[in-house]
Amino acid sequence: QVRLQESGPGLVKPSETLSLTCAVSGYSISSGYYWGWIRQPPGKGLEWIGSIHHSGTTYYNPSLKSRVTISVDTSKKSFSLRLSSVTAADTAVYYCARDRATMIQGVFKGGFDFWGQGTLVSVSS
Amino acid sequence: QAVVTQEPSLTVSPGGTVTLTCGSSTGAVTSGHYPCWFQQKPGQAPRALTYDTAIKHSWTPARFSGSLLGGKAALTLSGAQPEDEADYYCLLSYSDARVFGGGTKVTVL
Repeated sequence: QVRLQESGPGLVKPSETLSLTCAVSGYSISSGYYWGWIRQPPGKGLEWIGSIHHSGTTYYNPSLKSRVTISVDTSKKSFSLRLSSVTAADTAVYYCARDRATMIQGVFKGGFDFWGQGTLVSVSS
Repeated sequence: QAVVTQEPSLTVSPGGTVTLTCGSSTGAVTSGHYPCWFQQKPGQAPRALTYDTAIKHSWTPARFSGSLLGGKAALTLSGAQPEDEADYYCLLSYSDARVFGGGTKVTVL
């Protein structure tokens, strides 16, 4: 069974950088697939943040691209999210998920199958 | 960036059938958008239901089915159960990006 677990600070100050890690068990990151981050502001819908291939290739939501970095550490069986210059609008539950996609002519074929339980990150001074 | 639209809310009777739709601001949704559907219950992470329009995951109940309908992606729930009351989100893929719909709250009543 594939399991994902998010970890990181639950409170970040405005203008600082949000950092989260997703630990993966039950499947080797280096075996394939993409690995993604999705967020959900309180009471609102889901937003795709970005995905990373086990080789390191990344794709980001254009609306967040200037502030997002996703990296993978196959030796640590984890992947990470960094979101810089945060504001209150970045307050959300952040989910990591296995993204069983392949790229077909620049479009993601496939979707997220296994998800972490999510972690709430609040941006406040 | 494209906007993906869903019905805000739908109600279905126990044992009844309901169809949720997912439209795109860029035009008709096609199989090339590789539509996915997710179910989310309060306080829980989303759970994947279908991908690539109509393919079910091993855990997806048979009463859920994905399709394309009238230029939109669709999720049909046939024989609704009380435990199907939840929020449902679609996900469409575009060039180098993915966009979730705003979600549909399904009430079984």
